[in-house]
Amino acid sequence: QSALTQPASVSGSPGQSIIISCTGTSSDVGGYNYVSWYQQHPGKAPKLMIYEVSNRPSGVSNRFSGSKSGNTASLTISGLQAEDEADYYCSSYTSSSTLVFGGGTKLTVL
Amino acid sequence: QVTLRESGPALVKPTQTLTLTCTFSGFSLSTSGMCVSWIRQPPGKALEWLARIDWDDDKYYSTPLKTRLTISKDTSKNQVVLTMTNMDPVDTATYYCARISSSYNSAFDYWGQGTQVTVSS
Repeated sequence: QSALTQPASVSGSPGQSIIISCTGTSSDVGGYNYVSWYQQHPGKAPKLMIYEVSNRPSGVSNRFSGSKSGNTASLTISGLQAEDEADYYCSSYTSSSTLVFGGGTKLTVL
Repeated sequence: QVTLRESGPALVKPTQTLTLTCTFSGFSLSTSGMCVSWIRQPPGKALEWLARIDWDDDKYYSTPLKTRLTISKDTSKNQVVLTMTNMDPVDTATYYCARISSSYNSAFDYWGQGTQVTVSS
């Protein structure tokens, strides 16, 4: 049960778009459309931003979008805002009926 | 309004057993499709999924920690309990409980605020 692979950090300027990747295997990301993305601000609990690869929960800005190709899922944040600066984690269901998280990506808004 | 709250000891000694309780409201764990998971996060590190219990009492565990974990539920009290045996300093972390509902398939839509556990003699 290895963690999904995410870049350690990404950055962008206000108004720009960034993409965070999440790479797994055919036993998790590639095998199921059950990839989720979470935003975590320092000292806070994670917040669900995307579920089932590309769906946004009610209340989440449409600046956040998700996609998947093969064993890699991606989170795109468009129109970057200062409040988007946070840690982001992907998660996937696995063939063992377990769940696995990515290593996390720190987003810096320059 | 859905809420979850973790409770348990802030400090445990190495080799001891940790018992954490997640007390929730706003939903019933006897409702089809509802699940509660435990997730932990060591200081400055990534989230790690630990265990899940479903409305029908199915249970799933992290493979590396399977032998140390037990998850259970008390539907009448709206509680989920996680026990972790043989605690070690590397188990120092914030422990969260979170809900999965059938609306979000394998996604955690509500989280507790977390409880910090330190393992030290």
